[in-house]
Amino acid sequence: AQSVTQPDIHITVSEGASLELRCNYSYGATPYLFWYVQSPGQGLQLLLKYFSGDTLVQGIKGFEAEFKRSQSSFNLRKPSVHWSDAAEYFCAVGSILTGGGNKLTFGTGTQLKVEL
Amino acid sequence: EAGVTQSPTHLIKTRGQQVTLRCSPISGHTSVYWYQQALGLGLQFLLWYDEGEERNRGNFPPRFSGRQFPNYSSELNVNALELEDSALYLCASQSFGGSAGELFFGEGSRLTVL
Repeated sequence: AQSVTQPDIHITVSEGASLELRCNYSYGATPYLFWYVQSPGQGLQLLLKYFSGDTLVQGIKGFEAEFKRSQSSFNLRKPSVHWSDAAEYFCAVGSILTGGGNKLTFGTGTQLKVEL
Repeated sequence: EAGVTQSPTHLIKTRGQQVTLRCSPISGHTSVYWYQQALGLGLQFLLWYDEGEERNRGNFPPRFSGRQFPNYSSELNVNALELEDSALYLCASQSFGGSAGELFFGEGSRLTVL
């Protein structure tokens, strides 16, 4: 069965500093990988996704992530964090359900705090 | 274009009661997914509806059920509420043939069971 590990529950960075959020996955085949962000009181918003091809993917809000098959990782990065980036970030691996639907298995999330 | 809308946004119930949560998908989306986000348990897949049929369910008891209507909106019903059902229930939709796994989430219905 697939699983996702986000080893950092909380991370605090200063505004303007770089950010890296870690994600490790377990999946038997080529994974579909995602990063979602959840602001307080909000639903989940897709930041970026990896299906195949270039292992460095660009997303919205200046985020990028790199897929490393050898390390089973899909870490999220941003070169310069803005105060508005404070939120909870979820890494997810996608799998195909019987019947063709898509199941996302999420990590437990990383809460990002940005210090001004 | 309106996103995924859910109602109610917040509700409080007592143990043993029943609750119905509603979800309207993005126009043109035919698949609806329900997830439970409980404190300490993360996001768990609950149910998947497509074209009016329940297609798959996660590891939840039968008292979690729902349906999808001809207009693709969906309801999630939880019977015999237990304290551990307190959670944020998120609905997500996906278009037919949409990018694998790219789900569009609503803001959720926060259920508190006392």
